[in-house]
Amino acid sequence: DSGVTQTPKHLITATGQRVTLRCSPRSGDLSVYWYQQSLDQGLQFLIQYYNGEERAKGNILERFSAQQFPDLHSELNLSSLELGDSALYFCASSFNSYEQYFGPGTRLTVT
Amino acid sequence: GIQVEQSPPDLILQEGANSTLRCNFSDSVNNLQWFHQNPWGQLINLFYIPSGTKQNGRLSATTVATERYSLLYISSSQTTDSGVYFCAVAAGSYQLTFGKGTKLSVIP
Repeated sequence: DSGVTQTPKHLITATGQRVTLRCSPRSGDLSVYWYQQSLDQGLQFLIQYYNGEERAKGNILERFSAQQFPDLHSELNLSSLELGDSALYFCASSFNSYEQYFGPGTRLTVT
Repeated sequence: GIQVEQSPPDLILQEGANSTLRCNFSDSVNNLQWFHQNPWGQLINLFYIPSGTKQNGRLSATTVATERYSLLYISSSQTTDSGVYFCAVAAGSYQLTFGKGTKLSVIP
């Protein structure tokens, strides 16, 4: 158990819908990262927050957004969902912005 | 951006055998991690090893930063070692760039 929690574990929704994925980092970690794992793209970095502020953006679509709250948990919002958004979404956290610990992931299926 | 190549892409081992997985990267890094993704999809931290050598039980890893490669050694493999092994690096920024992984199958 990495100490990073993610909810829900599984999510099935229809095209065009909007979903919210939630992540709680390890106690004391200020950085939260979101990654997407899909069959065709592999594991890709989406976005990073540090103590409530956006620090870095990767290959994140405009339909996706995220935020980190004062209690340091983070949410990833995915809207206007398409079939191609089906993937495993991971949250990771770190204390010193180096070693990252990953949560169990949320498996999103868009039908 | 930085490129990460892992080899071999697939590996089948008899239980008890040893193996070496390789990760090459294209630039200087300040973070290198090895992960094991188990059949349930969980990413488990194995090593944080931007340079040097570390050992943890049957697993060990070596990173030669000046030559831009890292090796993961698995000794006396067990069926529970099956899964995909990922190497991930960060250079300058903090986000990790992952290789495509090595899929390991250990058969009894």
